[in-house]
Amino acid sequence: AQSVSQHNHHVILSEAASLELGCNYSYGGTVNLFWYVQYPGQHLQLLLKYFSGDPLVKGIKGFEAEFIKSKFSFNLRKPSVQWSDTAEYFCAVKTGGYQKVTFGIGTKLQVIP
Amino acid sequence: DTEVTQTPKHLVMGMTNKKSLKCEQHMGHRAMYWYKQKAKKPPELMFVYSYEKLSINESVPSRFSPECPNSSLLNLHLHALQPEDSALYLCASSQRLAGEGGELFFGEGSRLTVL
Repeated sequence: AQSVSQHNHHVILSEAASLELGCNYSYGGTVNLFWYVQYPGQHLQLLLKYFSGDPLVKGIKGFEAEFIKSKFSFNLRKPSVQWSDTAEYFCAVKTGGYQKVTFGIGTKLQVIP
Repeated sequence: DTEVTQTPKHLVMGMTNKKSLKCEQHMGHRAMYWYKQKAKKPPELMFVYSYEKLSINESVPSRFSPECPNSSLLNLHLHALQPEDSALYLCASSQRLAGEGGELFFGEGSRLTVL
């Protein structure tokens, strides 16, 4: 069965700091990759997605992620975080005939003004 | 605002009750999902429907019974639940199962408490 690992469970940054959240998955076949964000009191929203093509994908709100197939990784980055980025971030992988989306445990990001 | 609508937002039920959770989307998506999320845990897949047919059941106990009456609606019927079933139940939909359009759109969830 596939699994998704997020290395940082709780990250605290000051505003304008750079962000990188790690995500690794274990599945040897073709994958679709996602990052979702959950702001306090809100529903899960898609931040960005990778299906094929350019491994560097750009999402909403200045976020980007890079798919490195050889490392089974899909790390999320943002050059300069804002207080409004405070949220929980989930990496997710779609495999198994593409029906099943498996989520990582999530990373709580706290941005201090 | 999410385009996936879930009702009710909160539900409290006893272990002998029968209740249902409802989910509706009007985006023309052909795949719909139920997830369960416990506190401080990621969402866990329960069921997948594709073109109104049950495609995946992740070994969910029979006290949870999904139903997809049409392409826009997804229900989760609850009967004889246990207190450990208390959780946030998330509905999601996607345009298709694989490739572009396979990303999930989530509702706000139904928070269930079983007494």
